[in-house]
Amino acid sequence: DAGITQSPRHKVTETGTPVTLRCHQTENHRYMYWYRQDPGHGLRLIHYSYGVKDTDKGEVSDGYSVSRSKTEDFLLTLESATSSQTSVYFCASSGGAVEQFFGPGTRLTVL
Amino acid sequence: QKEVEQNSGPLSVPEGAIASLNCTYSDRVSQSFFWYRQYSGKSPELIMSIYSNGDKEDGRFTAQLNKASQYVSLLIRDSQPSDSATYLCAVNIPSQGSGTYKYIFGTGTRLKVLA
Repeated sequence: DAGITQSPRHKVTETGTPVTLRCHQTENHRYMYWYRQDPGHGLRLIHYSYGVKDTDKGEVSDGYSVSRSKTEDFLLTLESATSSQTSVYFCASSGGAVEQFFGPGTRLTVL
Repeated sequence: QKEVEQNSGPLSVPEGAIASLNCTYSDRVSQSFFWYRQYSGKSPELIMSIYSNGDKEDGRFTAQLNKASQYVSLLIRDSQPSDSATYLCAVNIPSQGSGTYKYIFGTGTRLKVLA
C-alpha cells in the first residue's frame, strides 16, 4: 500500500474558525486529491493537485482552498468552517491514470 | 445524470455464493476503471483495476469491462462474511485542456454476505 498519512485524524472545531488538514505521501506520486464523504453522496472531489503549486478545483470546492509546496504534502484549508463542512475527509494520491490510494481519513466536526 | 451510477443495495448473498456488483458510467473518454472496498469507518481500499475490455481475474475477484455499453462489473466468488462492505466503483477521466486526471466515484453498493 502507498504510504499516505493524514493529520489530524479527528478534529472538533467551532463555526467560523480556520481549519487545516494535512496529507503526506511517501510514494513520490505526482497527483494528490482531497475528497469529502457524506452519507448519500459518496466520495466527492474537493480539489486536486497535479504537481507542486499546480492545483485545480473539484465538484465541491466552495469554502475550501489547497496548497502544495512539496511533492509529498497537500494541505486542505477551511478558511471559516461551517456546520455543512462536517464530514469525513480523505486524501489520496496516484501516479496518473492508474490506481489511486487513500489515506486513513480525518473526521471533522464543526459545531 | 450522475457520471457513475451504482445500485446502493444492500445486496444480500449467502456465504459461498457469487456476488455480482454493477456500475455504469456516462463519460465515453474514461480510460481506467477501479473497484474499491470500504469497511464501515475505514478508508477505501483498492481491490481491482481494469483498463481494457474483457475480464480480469485476481483470486476470488473478477472485474468485467464493456466500454461500448459503458458498463463495469465486479464478481466475488465464494463470498465470505468478511466481504461484507461497501464497494465503490471509480472511473478515471482526463480533465479537459489540462492534461490531468481526476476520478469520479459512484455512491457505492453495500454488500452483505450471510453466514
